[in-house]
Amino acid sequence: DGGITQSPKYLFRKEGQNVTLSCEQNLNHDAMYWYRQDPGQGLRLIYYSQIVNDFQKGDIAEGYSVSREKKESFPLTVTSAQKNPTAFYLCASSIRSGWQFFGPGTRLTVL
Amino acid sequence: GESVGLHLPTLSVQEGDNSIINCAYSNSASDYFIWYKQESGKGPQFIIDIRSNMDKRQGQRVTVLLNKTVKHLSLQIAATQPGDSAVYFCAENRAPEGQGGKLIFGQGTELSVKP
Repeated sequence: DGGITQSPKYLFRKEGQNVTLSCEQNLNHDAMYWYRQDPGQGLRLIYYSQIVNDFQKGDIAEGYSVSREKKESFPLTVTSAQKNPTAFYLCASSIRSGWQFFGPGTRLTVL
Repeated sequence: GESVGLHLPTLSVQEGDNSIINCAYSNSASDYFIWYKQESGKGPQFIIDIRSNMDKRQGQRVTVLLNKTVKHLSLQIAATQPGDSAVYFCAENRAPEGQGGKLIFGQGTELSVKP
């Protein structure tokens, strides 16, 4: 079955640590996205990539970094520079001009 | 500022009734709109979409209406069922055609279905 996998489902981080969230898709989509969702809120765009080896900052990119070395993979690193990283992180993918297909999410908690 | 917003944060309906969830958008240049359903602890699921050259689109038990004059979008769910209980988001895509979807999401409306 085609889809998006995100791992881990739950992640705990100590203050000052960098963590990397995995996102893999087998939908053959060109574009991939990372969103952050806080309780009772909508989704805010962190980074997006329309093609391999290229990505752009979204609305809240500070404290995050990404890479897009393969079409299938778009990992997100939450760095120690992100002051309030506790949130639900969602990865999505799409064809160039279609709707976005979302993964199941990773819940990150800073201890 | 530019945003996609919802009129009501919560909506409670009786099982079997029709539900209407509303959404206002502020950017008249937006050309593509999507409704998503998100259950607790899960990623959003696509429900239905509509392009700006259409006023209405129907799916299975759902209808999306677009009124470009007043920049308003609505999602109608017929014969609402307990499984429809979730948060519903509208999203607008302002990206130029062929350059991928940079979606702007509203805050969401929580739909609660009473048995």
